[in-house]
Amino acid sequence: AQSVTQPDIHITVSEGASLELRCNYSYGATPYLFWYVQSPGQGLQLLLKYFSGDTLVQGIKGFEAEFKRSQSSFNLRKPSVHWSDAAEYFCAVGGPNSNDYKLSFGAGTTVTVRA
Amino acid sequence: GAVVSQHPSRVICKSGTSVKIECRSLDFQATTMFWYRQFPKQSLMLMATSNEGSKATYEQGVEKDKFLINHASLTLSTLTVTSAHPEDSSFYICSARNRGLYEQYFGPGTRLTVT
Repeated sequence: AQSVTQPDIHITVSEGASLELRCNYSYGATPYLFWYVQSPGQGLQLLLKYFSGDTLVQGIKGFEAEFKRSQSSFNLRKPSVHWSDAAEYFCAVGGPNSNDYKLSFGAGTTVTVRA
Repeated sequence: GAVVSQHPSRVICKSGTSVKIECRSLDFQATTMFWYRQFPKQSLMLMATSNEGSKATYEQGVEKDKFLINHASLTLSTLTVTSAHPEDSSFYICSARNRGLYEQYFGPGTRLTVT
């Protein structure tokens, strides 16, 4: 079975400071990993994805994530946060073991940006 | 690219009536579409997966006779909530994936309120 844990329910960060959101996954083989962002009342936007290769993945809006197999983690980072980054962030896992293309989502982390 | 639309964005209906929500992939052919339900401050709950021209596959606990899903073309899937009740009030989000790709692209969501 595949699953995702996002240990931090809520993170508050100052504008301009760095941000790191944690994600731990459970999957029986090499996973496909995703980070999505959701603004209030909106759908989800794909920030970045990892399938294979370079374990440091660059995404949109200045985000990056690093896949660490030994720690079963895929943490999301941004060096300098902008007020517009305040949103809900979801980590998701899927992979080649399933032929139904389903994703399992974590519970989400709410990011608040203070001026 | 990879734009998914949903219509309507908000709908209010009376208890006992049916509501149809449309999900369209605007610039790609959606081999698979997914329907999710999201409660306030919670993660996404997958309701069903639909492949074009096939019957939808429902997740455990989701009433297939209540939530009718049709994926009649490669760009359109519909979710009909039949005999809606107040407990069906929720945020419904669809997503779509393109043939040969794994990632899902999400629509903006539909807020359903049943009075």
